[in-house]
Amino acid sequence: GNSVTQMEGPVTLSEEAFLTINCTYTATGYPSLFWYVQYPGEGLQLLLKATKADDKGSNKGFEATYRKETTSFHLEKGSVQVSDSAVYFCALSGAPEGGSEKLVFGKGTKLTVNP
Amino acid sequence: DTGVSQNPRHKITKRGQNVTFRCDPISEHNRLYWYRQTLGQGPEFLTYFQNEAQLEKSRLLSDRFSAERPKGSFSTLEIQRTEQGDSAMYLCASSLVPGQGTNEQFFGPGTRLTVL
Repeated sequence: GNSVTQMEGPVTLSEEAFLTINCTYTATGYPSLFWYVQYPGEGLQLLLKATKADDKGSNKGFEATYRKETTSFHLEKGSVQVSDSAVYFCALSGAPEGGSEKLVFGKGTKLTVNP
Repeated sequence: DTGVSQNPRHKITKRGQNVTFRCDPISEHNRLYWYRQTLGQGPEFLTYFQNEAQLEKSRLLSDRFSAERPKGSFSTLEIQRTEQGDSAMYLCASSLVPGQGTNEQFFGPGTRLTVL
């Protein structure tokens, strides 16, 4: 079945450092790929998404490119801020047309950014 | 619209008791999903509704679990005869049907269940 493997954390960085969180997936067909973020005490929020190969999703300075050849969707940010401290989840939706589009999540990576 | 809401936010119960959670989706969303998240793990799909019809259930959803969405608006998730292994965060999400606009799933804050 479909699955997502995500870089294990926790990850601790200093402010303005470069961030990469690796994500690879296994899926049949052509899934959509997502990064969700969960800030302390809050619900999951969609950070960015990509729906087909070579698409780049971006939001709030974060980027991820859908790489079908390497089945990857790594999250990057050039300069992290303290406010980026959160748990980040990679996810895919691989339902066939008309299906549920249920999300399959990775285990999450906790990021802490120190001033 | 204030987004997806869930009640209660926290529930502590004793093993063997029944519990019920409620989810109110974004008003125009046809689809409603339930997920379960345990500590250190990502959310796992439990079931989903399109309007009032329950169209898919995960094998994770044992016969002690039942979900309803009687009028295609709010949904309830009931767990009967709770077990300690049911302790988790229960998340609700809603979305439009694909083709009606973005199919992004919007998540509620979750209900944290602790079974003693």
